[in-house]
Amino acid sequence: SQQGEEDPQALSIQEGENATMNCSYKTSINNLQWYRQNSGRGLVHLILIRSNEREKHSGRLRVTLDTSKKSSSLLITASRAADTASYFCATDALFQGAQKLVFGQGTRLTINP
Amino acid sequence: EAQVTQNPRYLITVTGKKLTVTCSQNMNHEYMSWYRQDPGLGLRQIYYSMNVEVTDKGDVPEGYKVSRKEKRNFPLILESPSPNQTSLYFCASSLRGEQFFGPGTRLTVL
Repeated sequence: SQQGEEDPQALSIQEGENATMNCSYKTSINNLQWYRQNSGRGLVHLILIRSNEREKHSGRLRVTLDTSKKSSSLLITASRAADTASYFCATDALFQGAQKLVFGQGTRLTINP
Repeated sequence: EAQVTQNPRYLITVTGKKLTVTCSQNMNHEYMSWYRQDPGLGLRQIYYSMNVEVTDKGDVPEGYKVSRKEKRNFPLILESPSPNQTSLYFCASSLRGEQFFGPGTRLTVL
């Protein structure tokens, strides 16, 4: 069963606005990661937040993690047209004795100029 | 340049014709994996490898084989491809959790 699920499935905003995407998961995790994918291309790692961290920043990206609610959010501030892409969360957890990274289905973000 | 390469990038084949998609990384990563990406289903792991000669099934291993004879290479083998294996395939290698993805192989099985 899918571990991470993103919300919303699609988001369309104007350039300059902030974009927030959410991810929920089901089991305990070691860390949670966010990836970006431009159409048909490989995924690019954005940020990793460990289970004992609550917030992390990287440039215009801000990630929060609430392990009590089993949820994370990705905030992109001052969005640009080049931020248009799909964004995936991935949870890193022990599953049946092996470390697994499980991806959600992604949020498709469109930034309108 | 640190990277994961896959070949071919695009492949159209017919049912039953064996094929191999190669994957190579130059970062000396121990962990490598294969995913397939399908609309509405996200990325699903096919197989992964913790190190040389150590491979294990992911979520959707049926119809696929892998091998890991050297640390840098992790080929994906489809012995008898079927149309339901038409998909976008990604290879990835990992260091300390962060995964580095290849550019993808778009496979169509007719």
